Amino acid sequence: DSGVTQTPKHLITATGQRVTLRCSPRSGDLSVYWYQQSLDQGLQFLIQYYNGEERAKGNILERFSAQQFPDLHSELNLSSLELGDSALYFCASSVAGALIYEQYFGPGTRLTVT
Amino acid sequence: TQLLEQSPQFLSIQEGENLTVYCNSSSVFSSLQWYRQEPGEGPVLLVTVVTGGEVKKLKRLTFQFGDARKDSSLHITAAQPGDTGLYLCAGAKSKDDKIIFGKGTRLHILP
Repeated sequence: DSGVTQTPKHLITATGQRVTLRCSPRSGDLSVYWYQQSLDQGLQFLIQYYNGEERAKGNILERFSAQQFPDLHSELNLSSLELGDSALYFCASSVAGALIYEQYFGPGTRLTVT
Repeated sequence: TQLLEQSPQFLSIQEGENLTVYCNSSSVFSSLQWYRQEPGEGPVLLVTVVTGGEVKKLKRLTFQFGDARKDSSLHITAAQPGDTGLYLCAGAKSKDDKIIFGKGTRLHILP
């Protein structure tokens, strides 16, 4: 158990819908990362927050948005969903913002868009 | 463009054999990490390397960061079935830059 929690574990929804994925970081960790993992693209970095502020942005679509709240939990919002958005979404946390610090990954949310 | 190329993509070997997997790039990275991921779970960090030429050992696993900080290797001695999994390398060009993951090497150790 990494100490990072993600909800829900599984999510099935239809094209065009909007969903919210939730992540609670390990106690004491200030940085949260979001990743998308699919079979063909591998693990893709989406976005990073550090203590409530956006720190780095990766391959995140405009239909996707995220935020980190004062209690440090984070939410990833996916809208106008397409079939290609079906993937595993991971959240990770680390004590600080730089890659040299260990990232602890949550168990992931498996999103299926039908 | 995949900036971190991992090879081989798949590797299946017998228990007790040695193996090396690679993570290569044409770019320089300030730090590089190796993770192992098992089915249905998130990746788990194995090691972080930050200095060119650095070698780190974790039991039967030896990690090396290239002198030019463009590549890395993971060597496993006397592989065991418990080593089975997806091995991912990840790097960042600077401490504030986005993180890039390779597509991974899927390793299967046959008992």
